[in-house]
Amino acid sequence: QSALTQPASVSGSPGQSITISCTGTSSDVGTYNYVSWYQQHPGKAPKLMIYDVTNRPSGVSNRFSGSKSGNTASLTISGLQAEDEADYYCSSYTSSSIWVFGGGTKLTVL
Amino acid sequence: EVQLVESGGGLVQPGGSLRLSCAASGFTFSSYWMHWVRQAPGKGLVWVSRISSDGSSTNYADSVRGRFTISRDNARNTLYLQMNSLRDEDTAVYYCTRGRLGFYFDYWGLGTLVTVSS
Repeated sequence: QSALTQPASVSGSPGQSITISCTGTSSDVGTYNYVSWYQQHPGKAPKLMIYDVTNRPSGVSNRFSGSKSGNTASLTISGLQAEDEADYYCSSYTSSSIWVFGGGTKLTVL
Repeated sequence: EVQLVESGGGLVQPGGSLRLSCAASGFTFSSYWMHWVRQAPGKGLVWVSRISSDGSSTNYADSVRGRFTISRDNARNTLYLQMNSLRDEDTAVYYCTRGRLGFYFDYWGLGTLVTVSS
């Protein structure tokens, strides 16, 4: 099972919006609405930001939103803030009954 | 408050074995699937293994199948990962994480570092 494909890096200025893509296949992202997104600051454990493609856990800012089209899922962060600078990972359940992560995207807030 | 605390990491030689533990508290451990996820230094997250709530069902990534064994003791609220035939490429921080409705990971431990080196 190959990793999901994410851009290595994205950047944006405070207040702007950015979108991180996560491309899989018909065996994972394309078939299951079980895409989740995680934020990881350096030296810290990952934090759940979005689950089941579009849902936000309690306590996560509504500036974070998720979507999916075909084999590609996306995470959008609006109104960028300095604290959003982190690594972001997507994950999906797969038809092999295992889970797969993306390679990660480093978000830089300029 | 949900807490997951990993332990058992350390330095081991190639071909050696190590057993990781994850002590869970703040929730009904026996009701949840549990997973191990690892992260090599400077690299991304990689899913390793999953176990069902009663321990009857397990899944593994291809890279560890046949070498690693996930298990749990619901009476002790503890998750385990037995790692045998360790390789250099198994060097990573290993995170214990709770599976929510089976398909995503809602709480994570702080991780334990496993270093495989001669």
